[in-house]
Amino acid sequence: LAKTTQPISMDSYEGQEVNITCSHNNIATNDYITWYQQFPSQGPRFIIQGYKTKVTNEVASLFIPADRKSSTLSLPRVSLSDTAVYYCLVAPMDSSYKLIFGSGTRLLVRP
Amino acid sequence: DGGITQSPKYLFRKEGQNVTLSCEQNLNHDAMYWYRQDPGQGLRLIYYSQIVNDFQKGDIAEGYSVSREKKESFPLTVTSAQKNPTAFYLCASSPYRDTNYGYTFGSGTRLTVV
Repeated sequence: LAKTTQPISMDSYEGQEVNITCSHNNIATNDYITWYQQFPSQGPRFIIQGYKTKVTNEVASLFIPADRKSSTLSLPRVSLSDTAVYYCLVAPMDSSYKLIFGSGTRLLVRP
Repeated sequence: DGGITQSPKYLFRKEGQNVTLSCEQNLNHDAMYWYRQDPGQGLRLIYYSQIVNDFQKGDIAEGYSVSREKKESFPLTVTSAQKNPTAFYLCASSPYRDTNYGYTFGSGTRLTVV
């Protein structure tokens, strides 16, 4: 499974756009990129998933360049409630592969 | 509403005791998973099961056991052989071969050895 690297922590202020970049240099052809959000003492929650170019949903956008060696999770106009840990995962769509969660990026949104 | 229910939310164990954590899902998902999370760390896979009556060891299976007698249930037993069981335990499920919406996680059980 492809290894991912993301910043340990990030700070932002309410109303700002936050971009969290994940590096996955050895991503395989059949790998998808998935992001999860985890609040303290809760299980992670699926945010967004993509294979290439751009994916957008009601929560976030995911930008994936042509070489797919990195991806960027974009959170528009963050609020205090977006303070959480964000995990970037790379794995084939087949769920027989075990998901591996790194330490994630701790996002702190300040007033 | 469909989802995953973990119980209890908090659990205290004495040294040398076995304890069982419950995980039930009504999502009709085929695959289920158990993860362990230590403070400030990511999730580590303990066991996973893709179908009933079958399960596989994850990265840190020593000191743990599971069963999968029913599709909707995947209990985890923390045995006395687990030397450092204090942690946050998370159960998850997913449709087999269709993870378009990722894994669904429960709200976790926090186990403390006293």
